[in-house]
Amino acid sequence: TQLLEQSPQFLSIQEGENLTVYCNSSSVFSSLQWYRQEPGEGPVLLVTVVTGGEVKKLKRLTFQFGDARKDSSLHITAAQPGDTGLYLCAGGWQGTDKLIFGTGTRLQVFP
Amino acid sequence: KAGVTQTPRYLIKTRGQQVTLSCSPISGHRSVSWYQQTPGQGLQFLFEYFSETQRNKGNFPGRFSGRQFSNSRSEMNVSTLELGDSALYLCASKLTGANYGYTFGSGTRLTIV
Repeated sequence: TQLLEQSPQFLSIQEGENLTVYCNSSSVFSSLQWYRQEPGEGPVLLVTVVTGGEVKKLKRLTFQFGDARKDSSLHITAAQPGDTGLYLCAGGWQGTDKLIFGTGTRLQVFP
Repeated sequence: KAGVTQTPRYLIKTRGQQVTLSCSPISGHRSVSWYQQTPGQGLQFLFEYFSETQRNKGNFPGRFSGRQFSNSRSEMNVSTLELGDSALYLCASKLTGANYGYTFGSGTRLTIV
């Protein structure tokens, strides 16, 4: 059973465009993390959000945790080819370091 | 500081064999987890270890096992390999607590022929 659904599954855009990736669940999480993975490598942590409604910015990336802590979004402004990769959200709970990963969004940014 | 090291990077095995994969976490990280990544299923949780204790196990058959040593290094073992076990096996370590994220290794690409 996949607890975290991401949309869209695939995204192909031109450099300079904006995009939003969504991560939705029926479960409540204590924390929500976003990772980016490039071919042949492990995922790399981008951000951790822990408070409902929290918004974090990382240069051109904006992350939001839903008020009910069941969903999250990642917004990229003025996408660049270097943003290309597989974006994964992951939910965690207090008392355990186990994470459940989302289904993934594969982003391709063309110059 | 050194990252998470997984060995070997690539492995080819035949059906019925067994395999042991190794993971050295970041120094000071006592929490180690393993994930299986396949194109169809994405990242699936296998095990979570903390201070040599398995705290959580994913929904995998008993052929999948693991352990953690006193220096936090971890191994996972898969016995009686099946074609469907072909995947990228990822190890990750972290400081304990929900506020901290994982640092992943580059993975072991296991191919069963």
